[in-house]
Amino acid sequence: GQSLEQPSEVTAVEGAIVQINCTYQTSGFYGLSWYQQHDGGAPTFLSYNALDGLEETGRFSSFLSRSDSYGYLLLQELQMKDSASYFCAVKGGGNKLTFGTGTQLKVEL
Amino acid sequence: GAGVSQSPSNKVTEKGKDVELRCDPISGHTALYWYRQSLGQGLEFLIYFQGNSAPDKSGLPSDRFSAERTGGSVSTLTIQRTQQEDSAVYLCASSPGDTQYFGPGTRLTVL
Repeated sequence: GQSLEQPSEVTAVEGAIVQINCTYQTSGFYGLSWYQQHDGGAPTFLSYNALDGLEETGRFSSFLSRSDSYGYLLLQELQMKDSASYFCAVKGGGNKLTFGTGTQLKVEL
Repeated sequence: GAGVSQSPSNKVTEKGKDVELRCDPISGHTALYWYRQSLGQGLEFLIYFQGNSAPDKSGLPSDRFSAERTGGSVSTLTIQRTQQEDSAVYLCASSPGDTQYFGPGTRLTVL
């Protein structure tokens, strides 16, 4: 089976940098994804790491270490609109995703 | 182009009734997924369709839940004899590969 752990809540101030960690235990692993979900909205794709290292997309970066079963999402230059829940998800066999329980990010002035 | 659509957006039903939830995926996406999300919780995998292969039903919580995908496109999730614990948002996603594109969900409330 698959299990993922991420912090339930993170608070940061506007303009700061925040890192959301995700550790996983899986029976099969093909990659780690990150999704953003605003209250009442649908999850939207942010990034996908299949290989070790850092992937950068604008203000967001995602990191993966397969040997440590660990990844993180890094958000820079935080904006109020970044307040949302962030989910890591492991891709197992057959394109199936197992999601973590989510981290609620609160951005304050 | 159009994204994933789901209907109805909200459904209120009485305990014991059957409900059908519909998902229209993005055209050309071969994979379709159903998830359930309870308030403040993560996404619980329910079922996965990939092309013409047999669906992965490993996440369905009981035999009251079933789903079908007709013609490799539209999918319907059916919940029979609904219970109060079935109340949640049911999300559908389609995918051409690694990225899943989610619909807006159906909020199901069982009274």
